[in-house]
Amino acid sequence: GDSVTQMEGPVTLSEEAFLTINCTYTATGYPSLFWYVQYPGEGLQLLLKATKADDKGSNKGFEATYRKETTSFHLEKGSVQVSDSAVYFCALTPNRDDKIIFGKGTRLHILP
Amino acid sequence: KAGVTQTPRYLIKTRGQQVTLSCSPISGHRSVSWYQQTPGQGLQFLFEYFSETQRNKGNFPGRFSGRQFSNSRSEMNVSTLELGDSALYLCASARSLAPSGETQYFGPGTRLLVL
Repeated sequence: GDSVTQMEGPVTLSEEAFLTINCTYTATGYPSLFWYVQYPGEGLQLLLKATKADDKGSNKGFEATYRKETTSFHLEKGSVQVSDSAVYFCALTPNRDDKIIFGKGTRLHILP
Repeated sequence: KAGVTQTPRYLIKTRGQQVTLSCSPISGHRSVSWYQQTPGQGLQFLFEYFSETQRNKGNFPGRFSGRQFSNSRSEMNVSTLELGDSALYLCASARSLAPSGETQYFGPGTRLLVL
């Protein structure tokens, strides 16, 4: 079945470091891919999305490129801030319905 | 415009009781989905409602049920609570059951503790 695998955390970085959170997926057809972020005590917020191969989603300095050949959607940011500390979820929706399938989440800690 | 709201935000129940959680979607959104979030299992899809009809269902026992009203507000009910039902329950709304890629907007969640 369809699934999402993302690197387990926690990931701890210093402020202004480069961030990569790996995400790979298994799906038949052509899913849409998402990154959601969950700040402490809050629900999930959509961070970015890509709906077809080679699309690049970007928001708030974060980027991810839909790579069909490697079935990946890695999240990157060039210079992280303390305020980026949160849990990040990679997710997909299969092209046959709208049920979102989430990865386990990666907790990110940014140290000042 | 106002976001997705969920009530109550926190709830404590005992085993065997039942509980009802409420979700009000963003105005104009007709799709409401429910998710259970636990440290061990992560985020798991419960069900999705659109136009008062359940359109998708995850792999949860029949103790978990839901409904949607004509104003798109949704309720989720869990009967005969078990300790393992302790979780954060998230509701998400979307404009429609459009083809894949429709953005879902999440509420802050209801944290349920079963003692």
